[in-house]
Amino acid sequence: DQQVKQNSPSLSVQEGRISILNCDYTNSMFDYFLWYKKYPAEGPTFLISISSIKDKNEDGRFTVFLNKSAKHLSLHIVPSQPGDSAVYFCAASKDRGSTLGRLYFGRGTQLTVWP
Amino acid sequence: DAGVTQSPTHLIKTRGQQVTLRCSPKSGHDTVSWYQQALGQGPQFIFQYYEEEERQRGNFPDRFSGHQFPNYSSELNVNALLLGDSALYLCASSFRQGVYGYTFGSGTRLTVV
Repeated sequence: DQQVKQNSPSLSVQEGRISILNCDYTNSMFDYFLWYKKYPAEGPTFLISISSIKDKNEDGRFTVFLNKSAKHLSLHIVPSQPGDSAVYFCAASKDRGSTLGRLYFGRGTQLTVWP
Repeated sequence: DAGVTQSPTHLIKTRGQQVTLRCSPKSGHDTVSWYQQALGQGPQFIFQYYEEEERQRGNFPDRFSGHQFPNYSSELNVNALLLGDSALYLCASSFRQGVYGYTFGSGTRLTVV
């Protein structure tokens, strides 16, 4: 039961251009969303998050947009750099209730930024 | 300030054997969660330990068990290993079961042959 979906397994973008990674979710109880970046042989590292009370959050080159009605979020990276090449995971949580502190992950999108 | 530490980094076991993986949480964190990441998949929640008790569990069989010690470190035990248990096992720590500041270790790569 995949409650968080990343339908694009890979994305290739030229350096300097915008990278847009997409994520959909099915559970309307999710109220906090996170993006993680993962390099090979390393654990996921936190990138940016957004609460369901917001529709946008920015941190430097990274912006996350949340469309609650569509149950969709996206991560924008502008400008993209070769060092951004990694697997990006979308994750969601229910900040209340019996699943406190549990993250539900998508399958990830491999981003490749070429010079 | 040390982050989340996992040991060992790699492990090869034979089907039917038992394995123990270890995790030390980030300083200041008291909650440990374990995830399994199979090849080509996202991390899947196994269980969470807080105050030395299992607080919640994902869809994993009883062959997967764990423990949390008074210093907040944790172990994941898997009995009767199957080939399908081959995966990257990730430990994440946080404070009071929250997801804010959730920090992952680099994982233990388990191969079952």
